[in-house]
Amino acid sequence: KQEVTQIPAALSVPEGENLVLNCSFTDSAIYNLQWFRQDPGKGLTSLLLIQSSQREQTSGRLNASLDKSSGRSTLYIAASQPGDSATYLCAVNSNSGYALNFGKGTSLLVTP
Amino acid sequence: DADVTQTPRNRITKTGKRIMLECSQTKGHDRMYWYRQDPGLGLRLIYYSFDVKDINKGEISDGYSVSRQAQAKFSLSLESAIPNQTALYFCATSDPGHTTGELFFGEGSRLTVL
Repeated sequence: KQEVTQIPAALSVPEGENLVLNCSFTDSAIYNLQWFRQDPGKGLTSLLLIQSSQREQTSGRLNASLDKSSGRSTLYIAASQPGDSATYLCAVNSNSGYALNFGKGTSLLVTP
Repeated sequence: DADVTQTPRNRITKTGKRIMLECSQTKGHDRMYWYRQDPGLGLRLIYYSFDVKDINKGEISDGYSVSRQAQAKFSLSLESAIPNQTALYFCATSDPGHTTGELFFGEGSRLTVL
């Protein structure tokens, strides 16, 4: 069974800092990996999707990388802003293909 | 309008009642999913459906049932609700080709069972 772990569980940074969120998974046979953002009590918003053949994806201030061999992905957020405060979830689509396995998330607080 | 719509958004009910959560989507996706989210446990898959005639149990299907009424509609039922089914429930869809597999989520249905 694919296990997905996110470290740290919580992170607080001052505005303007660059930061990295980590995601690790136990089975490297994956189709893709997806990063989501969740605001309190809200749904999940897809941020970036990396296919298994890709090494990274970028969207604005966000950059996600994937290293299948080591079972790791990172989400890099540049020049953080208070509006980035949310929980960030990593999810892995394994080769069984039917659903995502989620990490428990990293709760990010960016202080002004 | 949202691409994935869940109703109701909030529901409070009593133990033993039957509850239905509904999901509809306008993305034209074949694949639909129901997840539940609990603090500290993350999201766990309850049921998934790859098309109208294909229904599959997920990780935590006990106490739940589903119905795929049409390509665009997927409902989740709790036949006899119990307090530990209090959670935030999410419906999701993914693209039909599985070439990307990107998931799109609804806003969630918060269920409280007293």
